[in-house]
Amino acid sequence: QSALTQPASVSGSPGQTITISCTGTRSDVGGYNFVSWYQQHPGKAPKLVIFGVSDRPPGVSNRFSGSKSDNTASLTISGLQAEDEAEYYCSSYTSSTSRAYVFGTGTTVSVL
Amino acid sequence: QVQAVQSGAEVKKPGTSVKVSCTASGDNFPIKKFHWVRQAPGQGLEWIGIIHPSGFGTTYAQQFRGRVTMTRDTSTRTVSMELSSLISDDSAVYYCAIEYGTTYFFDFSGQGTLVTVSS
Repeated sequence: QSALTQPASVSGSPGQTITISCTGTRSDVGGYNFVSWYQQHPGKAPKLVIFGVSDRPPGVSNRFSGSKSDNTASLTISGLQAEDEAEYYCSSYTSSTSRAYVFGTGTTVSVL
Repeated sequence: QVQAVQSGAEVKKPGTSVKVSCTASGDNFPIKKFHWVRQAPGQGLEWIGIIHPSGFGTTYAQQFRGRVTMTRDTSTRTVSMELSSLISDDSAVYYCAIEYGTTYFFDFSGQGTLVTVSS
């Protein structure tokens, strides 16, 4: 089973809204509300920004929001800021026999 | 919130094994689930497996089965991951990540451990 599919890169100007997609199958994204999103700055460990498709952990800006439709989950960042420039990964629980969790391919967010 | 400190960087030769440890602070260590995730240089995240609370075993991703062993020691609040038969493609940063209960997401509390496999 391959990784969840994300766009390689997404960019936007400060203040704009961007959306990152994460496409899987009925065995993972489409079958469970267990999609999470992680932000990773260079040289740092990933940081959880969304869990359970659309819930935010304490301390994460409300500019981050998540949603899901069928086999595709999305992360939206509104009011884009320079500090949002990072790599973003989605993750989902999966019923696949080859693994219990699968990550997305990763998306580089650039703030122009 | 649980914090975790991982063991230091390792350099290993192909065919050998590496053991990475993760010592957790905070409450309720016995009921925490610990995941291991790796990231090769310039690449994405890859889920390796999970060690459940004591008595509930482990689950490994298929590509690592037969090569990986995850253990936990409640007395030292430490979980470990040993990967054997190393090849150059195993060179990566290895993270331990904590799942609080059955929540299906991870807290990458560990700082990561760089493992380099080179002859």
